[in-house]
Amino acid sequence: AQRVTQPEKLLSVFKGAPVELKCNYSYSGSPELFWYVQYSRQRLQLLLRHISRESIKGFTADLNKGETSFHLKKPFAQEEDSAMYYCALGFTGNQFYFGTGTSLTVIP
Amino acid sequence: EAQVTQNPRYLITVTGKKLTVTCSQNMNHEYMSWYRQDPGLGLRQIYYSMNVEVTDKGDVPEGYKVSRKEKRNFPLILESPSPNQTSLYFCASTQRGAYNEQFFGPGTRLTVL
Repeated sequence: AQRVTQPEKLLSVFKGAPVELKCNYSYSGSPELFWYVQYSRQRLQLLLRHISRESIKGFTADLNKGETSFHLKKPFAQEEDSAMYYCALGFTGNQFYFGTGTSLTVIP
Repeated sequence: EAQVTQNPRYLITVTGKKLTVTCSQNMNHEYMSWYRQDPGLGLRQIYYSMNVEVTDKGDVPEGYKVSRKEKRNFPLILESPSPNQTSLYFCASTQRGAYNEQFFGPGTRLTVL
């Protein structure tokens, strides 16, 4: 079975502190991994995908196949980063598995 | 404006009364999906579609039906709603391709009494 685990339901950090949101996946093949974010009163939107190796809003995520992880990191958290974050595992053909989400609060 | 729209946005109904939640996208996307979002369970895919007349079950398809007669529309049908289908529902569309971004609708909050 293919599954995604986000162990932290809630995460609070102070502004300017580093933040890491954990994501582990269960899949033996080559995964397609994404991070989606939902800001208050906004639609769910793509933050970044592993294939692009991009940095969006200061966030990065590295795929670690050995640990089957795709943790989301930012060196200095900002108040506007407060949101719900979802890790997702996708497959060719539009099948997706999302994690249970982590609610991040950045304390001023 | 490129977007995914859902109707209705809020719906309160009673057990057993058939309902349809519509989803429409204007981006000419081949792929569309339905998800439900529940506290502590995250998003779970209900059904997905890769093109017109091509649909498949997601993680939690029980109690739901879909149809894809046109590329732009992907309605979600609850033939006989039950209280455990009370949830927040999201429709999404994607350009065909493994790594492409899903565009989500605004959500439909359904309450089944």
